[in-house]
Amino acid sequence: EVQLVESGGGLVKPGGSLRLSCAASGFTFSSYNMYWVRQAPGKGLEWVSSISSSSSYTYYADSVKGRFTISRDNAKNSLYLQMNSLRAEDTAVYYCARDSDYGDYVHDYWGQGTLVTVSS
Amino acid sequence: DIQMTQSPSSLSASVGDRVTITCRASQSISSYLNWYQQKPGKAPNLLIYAASSLQSGVPSRFSGSGSGTDFTLTISSLQPEDFATYYCQQSYSTPPATFGGGTKVEIK
Repeated sequence: EVQLVESGGGLVKPGGSLRLSCAASGFTFSSYNMYWVRQAPGKGLEWVSSISSSSSYTYYADSVKGRFTISRDNAKNSLYLQMNSLRAEDTAVYYCARDSDYGDYVHDYWGQGTLVTVSS
Repeated sequence: DIQMTQSPSSLSASVGDRVTITCRASQSISSYLNWYQQKPGKAPNLLIYAASSLQSGVPSRFSGSGSGTDFTLTISSLQPEDFATYYCQQSYSTPPATFGGGTKVEIK
């Protein structure tokens, strides 16, 4: 059974840092591109960042570029999101998701999400 | 970036109703259009990919159509478990893979 389990969310002050993790199981993690997608309270879905299966390529939304860093450890079946210089507008539930076999950015499995709250 | 516009933003319907949700792209995206269902407090769930292909395990009352810039998600007979928010997403020009603003389907 495919599982994605996020952790690392919490309350952080503006300007602070947080590192999110996503533990994957039930599939060959090293074969899939992985993603972070966020959802601000009461709002829609927003793609945040992507990383290719071998970490060769990483991409970021303009809203987080220069502040967030995506990475992965295929030996540990884990995805990460290092978030620095956090702002109030980064407050959201952060989901990790994988590609389906139907194409890039088509997400057939998602984690349960981890809440990041940026507030003083 | 390609903008995705959903309509309506919300709707009220009764069990058994036929429901149609529309998604429009700001430029042609061929058939690179996906639909997700999200229930409160849960992660999104893939319903339809490539505009009209039903994801495994998704009931056949869900269907998708369209190509180019205009797409629809249809629920042929609304069931109690279908009350949720639905999002379209384009995966044609990425990154970013932009989502529509969502359509909340509520009980009438």
